[in-house]
Amino acid sequence: DADVTQTPRNRITKTGKRIMLECSQTKGHDRMYWYRQDPGLGLRLIYYSFDVKDINKGEISDGYSVSRQAQAKFSLSLESAIPNQTALYFCATSEIDRVDNTGELFFGEGSRLTVL
Amino acid sequence: ELKVEQNPLFLSMQEGKNYTIYCNYSTTSDRLYWYRQDPGKSLESLFVLLSNGAVKQEGRLMASLDTKARLSTLHITAAVHDLSATYFCAVEGVRYSGGGADGLTFGKGTHLIIQP
Repeated sequence: DADVTQTPRNRITKTGKRIMLECSQTKGHDRMYWYRQDPGLGLRLIYYSFDVKDINKGEISDGYSVSRQAQAKFSLSLESAIPNQTALYFCATSEIDRVDNTGELFFGEGSRLTVL
Repeated sequence: ELKVEQNPLFLSMQEGKNYTIYCNYSTTSDRLYWYRQDPGKSLESLFVLLSNGAVKQEGRLMASLDTKARLSTLHITAAVHDLSATYFCAVEGVRYSGGGADGLTFGKGTHLIIQP
C-alpha cells in the first residue's frame, strides 16, 4: 500500500460544483502539502500544514480551501470549481530529518481533476 | 519571491550520449532536490543535496550543487532509454527557526526523451 494515498484518482465535474480531494498518509509525518501541476508550469504550492493547528497559504491558494482533520489527513476543497482548475493535484508529506535537517517531500499518486 | 529556472525544458537525445540539465535559483539556499516523474505518475525523489559542493551519483545520473552560483546540475552519462522522463529540481523556501520550511519551489521541469 502507498504511504501517501489520494482519493479520488480521477474526477470529472462541472463548473460550480464543490469538489473535495482527500489525502491520507501512513508515514507519520507532521507536514503535509497540496501542489497543483499544469503542463509546462511545474508544480505550484496551494496550501501547506505543519500540524493540525497550523495551516498556511501557498503560492496559488485563491479558489481553494483545506482542512487538516488529523495528523494523517489533509483534504483540499474547491468550493465552486472552474475550468482553469483542471489540473493534476498532488499531496505530499515531509518530516524534518534531525540528522540532515532536510525537508524532502514524499508524494502521493496524484488526483486528476477535470472541470467542464 | 523564490524563482527556480531549469534549462533546457525539453531535450531529445540519443542513447549513449552525455548531457547536463541546469537548475538556477534566485535566493540563497543550501538545500536542493531532484525528482523524476514518469508520464502520468507521481514524483520520485532522486537526490537531496545539502551543502555547497555536494555531489551525489546514482547509476548514470550525477547531481551537484554550487550554492555560491545558485546552480545545480544533473548530468546524464551514456544515456539509456529508461532514463526518459521529466526531471524537476526544487529548492526550499523560508526555513523557520523550528526547522520547517514552507515546502519546495519547483522548476518547470525538463522533459527528456532518449531515443534508441
